[in-house]
Amino acid sequence: KQEVTQIPAALSVPEGENLVLNCSFTDSAIYNLQWFRQDPGKGLTSLLLIQSSQREQTSGRLNASLDKSSGRSTLYIAASQPGDSATYLCAVRRVGGSYIPTFGRGTSLIVHP
Amino acid sequence: KAGVTQTPRYLIKTRGQQVTLSCSPISGHRSVSWYQQTPGQGLQFLFEYFSETQRNKGNFPGRFSGRQFSNSRSEMNVSTLELGDSALYLCASSLGDRITDTQYFGPGTRLTVL
Repeated sequence: KQEVTQIPAALSVPEGENLVLNCSFTDSAIYNLQWFRQDPGKGLTSLLLIQSSQREQTSGRLNASLDKSSGRSTLYIAASQPGDSATYLCAVRRVGGSYIPTFGRGTSLIVHP
Repeated sequence: KAGVTQTPRYLIKTRGQQVTLSCSPISGHRSVSWYQQTPGQGLQFLFEYFSETQRNKGNFPGRFSGRQFSNSRSEMNVSTLELGDSALYLCASSLGDRITDTQYFGPGTRLTVL
């Protein structure tokens, strides 16, 4: 059974800081890993999708890396802004898991001015 | 392109009642997945429909059911509601290509069971 852990659970940083969010998973046989953000009481917005054959993906100020062998992914946010405040979740689809995604509990990020 | 829409956005029901939630996917998307999100359990997969067929099912009791129509719109039904069914119900649509798929989520339906 796949387990996904996100550390830290909460983070508060001043505007402008570069920061790293972590996602670890127990079964390295995965199809892909996806990062989402969720604003309070709302749905999820897809940020980046990394296939198992890829090492990283970039979109604007966001960069996600994947190390399957160690069961880890990191989401790097450059020059954080107050608008980045949200909960960030990662989801992993395990090979042999009927393609059902397993989500982490998320990292709640606050970027204060 | 319009995003994923869910109706209603908020719902209040009492124990024992049943409820139907609706999800309209992005045009061209054939896969619709449903999730339950609670503070205690986080985000949990309910089921996935692809071309009107249930393709995957999570670990939820039979009170939770769903269906998909020929236009890819999907409905989820919960019968005999329990207090623990209070949650944010999210649907997500995608093209259905499992390897390269990106899921796009709707805003959710907030269900409160009294």
